[in-house]
Amino acid sequence: AQSVTQLGSHVSVSEGALVLLRCNYSSSVPPYLFWYVQYPNQGLQLLLKYTSAATLVKGINGFEAEFKKSETSFHLTKPSAHMSDAAEYFCAVSLGYGNKLVFGAGTILRVKS
Amino acid sequence: GAGVSQTPSNKVTEKGKYVELRCDPISGHTALYWYRQSLGQGPEFLIYFQGTGAADDSGLPNDRFFAVRPEGSVSTLKIQRTERGDSAVYLCASSSLPLTGSWNGYTFGSGTRLTVV
Repeated sequence: AQSVTQLGSHVSVSEGALVLLRCNYSSSVPPYLFWYVQYPNQGLQLLLKYTSAATLVKGINGFEAEFKKSETSFHLTKPSAHMSDAAEYFCAVSLGYGNKLVFGAGTILRVKS
Repeated sequence: GAGVSQTPSNKVTEKGKYVELRCDPISGHTALYWYRQSLGQGPEFLIYFQGTGAADDSGLPNDRFFAVRPEGSVSTLKIQRTERGDSAVYLCASSSLPLTGSWNGYTFGSGTRLTVV
């Protein structure tokens, strides 16, 4: 069965600093990987997804993530944090169409001015 | 529709009552998923439908929870004898294989916030 571990339940960065949110996955077969963002009292918004094409995936709002098979990682980065990036971020793994999506516990990102 | 629609957006019910939560997926999406997100946690899988049938119901916590999708589009999640521990946001997602190109993954609705008092 697949699983996701997000290191750090809370991450705090200064405005303009690099954002790095860590995600490691476990999967018996090549996975599909996703990052979602959730603002308070709102639904899940897809940031980006890896579906076995390019290993460096660019998403919305300046975020990107790199699939590293050797490290079983899919860390999310953004070069310069904005106040509007403050939210909760979820990494998730799936075996593909027709399979459930398994989420990590989430990381709350705080951006300090 | 253009997106996944969930109704109601909020539901407050008394302990012991029966509730129904509705999900209207993207038109043409054959796969439909229900998730539950408790406060401070990531979404947890409940059940997956492929067409009208439940292909995987391994996430349903107990027999008070049941879901149907009789015509392969709209789905209803039903909770009997609600308990305070059922309070959570219930999320629905849909998915479909593309005719061309890569798979787009899952599209989530905004959820139904259920509060059992």
